[in-house]
Amino acid sequence: GQQLNQSPQSMFIQEGEDVSMNCTSSSIFNTWLWYKQEPGEGPVLLIALYKAGELTSNGRLTAQFGITRKDSFLNISASIPSDVGIYFCAGSVTSGTYKYIFGTGTRLKVLA
Amino acid sequence: GAVVSQHPSRVICKSGTSVKIECRSLDFQATTMFWYRQFPKQSLMLMATSNEGSKATYEQGVEKDKFLINHASLTLSTLTVTSAHPEDSSFYICSARGVRSEAFFGQGTRLTVV
Repeated sequence: GQQLNQSPQSMFIQEGEDVSMNCTSSSIFNTWLWYKQEPGEGPVLLIALYKAGELTSNGRLTAQFGITRKDSFLNISASIPSDVGIYFCAGSVTSGTYKYIFGTGTRLKVLA
Repeated sequence: GAVVSQHPSRVICKSGTSVKIECRSLDFQATTMFWYRQFPKQSLMLMATSNEGSKATYEQGVEKDKFLINHASLTLSTLTVTSAHPEDSSFYICSARGVRSEAFFGQGTRLTVV
């Protein structure tokens, strides 16, 4: 199935550091979503973006909808141990079935 | 926030039997529900999209006779894995979309076929 390119694949960082990850697509999307998944659980929605250029924050998390509508970025500031998990981006077009295509995921590990 | 409940969370079944997984939106009406499959350390792969009262749309390579999807109401969708085999063992996750474009996920179902 179709997937979005997400980078980096994995990150090992020190507690307190900032984190950046991005997602790129060959297709244009109208909605970008960012999720966090912990082992054995379903993904949890972190941030939803609906407009090109939109910058939205949720606590220490900030995400941006790229101007070209083909990419999105997620930043985590001042990381803490509980930020550990896999972060997925997902893109959707607001027509037809509205299906969501997921990125390949970024595995984040935070060292205390 | 929107809550999606998926049941069961784990199931072990014998090869050749069928397994049904339920996905319910508890506090909103889901116009569309999605079923995903996830292998260890991999991303979510969309299997099918279902709209209430209509037939599901399956992604390429997903056998519709193998993975039966029923979306009988605005709050319930079911996935039945028919004649399950060990290669069907996986983590299956549903998600539901309400009025806005956000999708909320269930807790997932770990299926093991022995």
